[in-house]
Amino acid sequence: NAGVMQNPRHLVRRRGQEARLRCSPMKGHSHVYWYRQLPEEGLKFMVYLQKENIIDESGMPKERFSAEFPKEGPSILRIQQVVRGDSAAYFCASSTGTALGRELFFGEGSRLTVL
Amino acid sequence: ELKVEQNPLFLSMQEGKNYTIYCNYSTTSDRLYWYRQDPGKSLESLFVLLSNGAVKQEGRLMASLDTKARLSTLHITAAVHDLSATYFCAVGLEGSGSRLTFGEGTQLTVNP
Repeated sequence: NAGVMQNPRHLVRRRGQEARLRCSPMKGHSHVYWYRQLPEEGLKFMVYLQKENIIDESGMPKERFSAEFPKEGPSILRIQQVVRGDSAAYFCASSTGTALGRELFFGEGSRLTVL
Repeated sequence: ELKVEQNPLFLSMQEGKNYTIYCNYSTTSDRLYWYRQDPGKSLESLFVLLSNGAVKQEGRLMASLDTKARLSTLHITAAVHDLSATYFCAVGLEGSGSRLTFGEGTQLTVNP
């Protein structure tokens, strides 16, 4: 049973470009969470999605950031017009969403560097 | 807003010694997690604590939860170099799905 898969693992972008990060949850998991980790800091919640729905996006910056989790395919975190401050590790986590299965399983992360 | 604070943030200890990492949180919670992160890696789940007085042990690590004090501890017994990593506690709130709020992390270095 494959774990949470994220790609790319490393991404380099110049200021103003777009970054797309992908996350495939664990098999059987329908809930996806995105977290951002700045260097030397803890993880900060960004957005919580279920298939085709955004449930909680209270941690997402209001501009340039968007997330989706389509009926088919991976969840995507999209950052438009990247700036140097967007450089961070972006972690995806998934869960079954049930009361008993609320443990989060994390992917390896996507490390974005903005030049 | 839920706040989660860990201390110490940096911990350097000798092999064979014992130490405790503390995690305080500001709002009633229904679950608390401890994770380990090695540099450049993902988070590895260590413990899930769901009730007041819960105590779990795995090898040289033991975690406990006091929901009345809103405090969890991660105790390290007879540390070894392999335990060097960053340890995070994370707290969940009822009604927030599996969303977690993380502490800043405790960077542990175990010296030979």
